[in-house]
Amino acid sequence: DSGVTQTPKHLITATGQRVTLRCSPRSGDLSVYWYQQSLDQGLQFLIQYYNGEERAKGNILERFSAQQFPDLHSELNLSSLELGDSALYFCASSVLGYNEQFFGPGTRLTVL
Amino acid sequence: AQKITQTQPGMFVQEKEAVTLDCTYDTSDPSYGLFWYKQPSSGEMIFLIYQGSYDQQNATEGRYSLNFQKARKSANLVISASQLGDSAMYFCAMRRTPPGNTGKLIFGQGTTLQVKP
Repeated sequence: DSGVTQTPKHLITATGQRVTLRCSPRSGDLSVYWYQQSLDQGLQFLIQYYNGEERAKGNILERFSAQQFPDLHSELNLSSLELGDSALYFCASSVLGYNEQFFGPGTRLTVL
Repeated sequence: AQKITQTQPGMFVQEKEAVTLDCTYDTSDPSYGLFWYKQPSSGEMIFLIYQGSYDQQNATEGRYSLNFQKARKSANLVISASQLGDSAMYFCAMRRTPPGNTGKLIFGQGTTLQVKP
């Protein structure tokens, strides 16, 4: 158990819908990262927050947004969902911005 | 641009033997970190080992060691005394160490390791 929690574990929804994925980092970790793992794209970095502020952005679609709250938990919002958004979404956390990252169990999103 | 290459899609190893998983990287940054993660069939990503680009010695963590050859830009993972529980997908990853608190990981394609009894 890495100490990073993610909910829900599984999510099945339809095209065009909007979902919110939630992540709680390890106690004491200030940085939260979101990654997407799909068969065709592999593991890709989406976005990073550090102590509530956006720090780095990857190949995150405009339909996706995220935020980190004062209690340091983070949410990833995915809207206007498409079939291709089906993937495993990981949240990771680290103490600062560049230590080793510890991953949560992931949220498996299926868009039908 | 940074890139990680894992050329072995799949590997087999006999239980109790050692195995090396290859990883080469490309970066123009003078300072960077290299990581290995394990992903069992259950899906979670488990951190295994870290090597900093300026570390003089190769990193070791229990049965895991990282064979870091900076001039060749390789960071191979060596697993000694393989166990059945080592069967999983293994990912090599890299991150820059720019100023400020940014640390996105760039991952390779992964290598599936199967340990035979």
